[in-house]
Amino acid sequence: GEDVEQSLFLSVREGDSSVINCTYTDSSSTYLYWYKQEPGAGLQLLTYIFSNMDMKQDQRLTVLLNKKDKHLSLRIADTQTGDSAIYFCAEEPNTGFQKLVFGTGTRLLVSP
Amino acid sequence: DAGVTQSPTHLIKTRGQQVTLRCSPKSGHDTVSWYQQALGQGPQFIFQYYEEEERQRGNFPDRFSGHQFPNYSSELNVNALLLGDSALYLCASSLDGGNQPQHFGDGTRLSIL
Repeated sequence: GEDVEQSLFLSVREGDSSVINCTYTDSSSTYLYWYKQEPGAGLQLLTYIFSNMDMKQDQRLTVLLNKKDKHLSLRIADTQTGDSAIYFCAEEPNTGFQKLVFGTGTRLLVSP
Repeated sequence: DAGVTQSPTHLIKTRGQQVTLRCSPKSGHDTVSWYQQALGQGPQFIFQYYEEEERQRGNFPDRFSGHQFPNYSSELNVNALLLGDSALYLCASSLDGGNQPQHFGDGTRLSIL
């Protein structure tokens, strides 16, 4: 089946690191994505990782993938107040099409 | 380079009415997907269009239909609107094939009274 779960809320102080976690169920998923949604806006693609990788780094963002446990995490280094938003994890099941299955999102609040 | 654009940004309808939402994909993209995002939830896949045909569909009733035009733009139509259709409707575009991430527009906020 296809299901993605995330914790609902995370609060950090400016300058700290943030770690947002996600678990998924479809072991056939080829790609896993992180999107950011700010109030009143659509989804902004942050980064993605292919299922045969276990880590990807992109500036302040680090994605870790544990395929055995179907666990994905997004680490944001030196978190800023502008990082406050909802973060969605999404899996792309291996159906041959580009359908995404999203989690319910993690609201990140960064305080000064 | 324009990203994905959607219109209108907001729409208010009453139960039983019909609505059409529009999407222009990012330049160079040929595949359009539609998602419904209810308040406080993650987006749910409605369907995907490629080469002017619906090629995959999520768990949505036939009241939801769509179209893709030769210029790759797309429409989402919803008939016989219900209160539960109130949501943010997101359009995403991509290039067909593997390793092609979807890029989203800002969505259309649909409110049903």
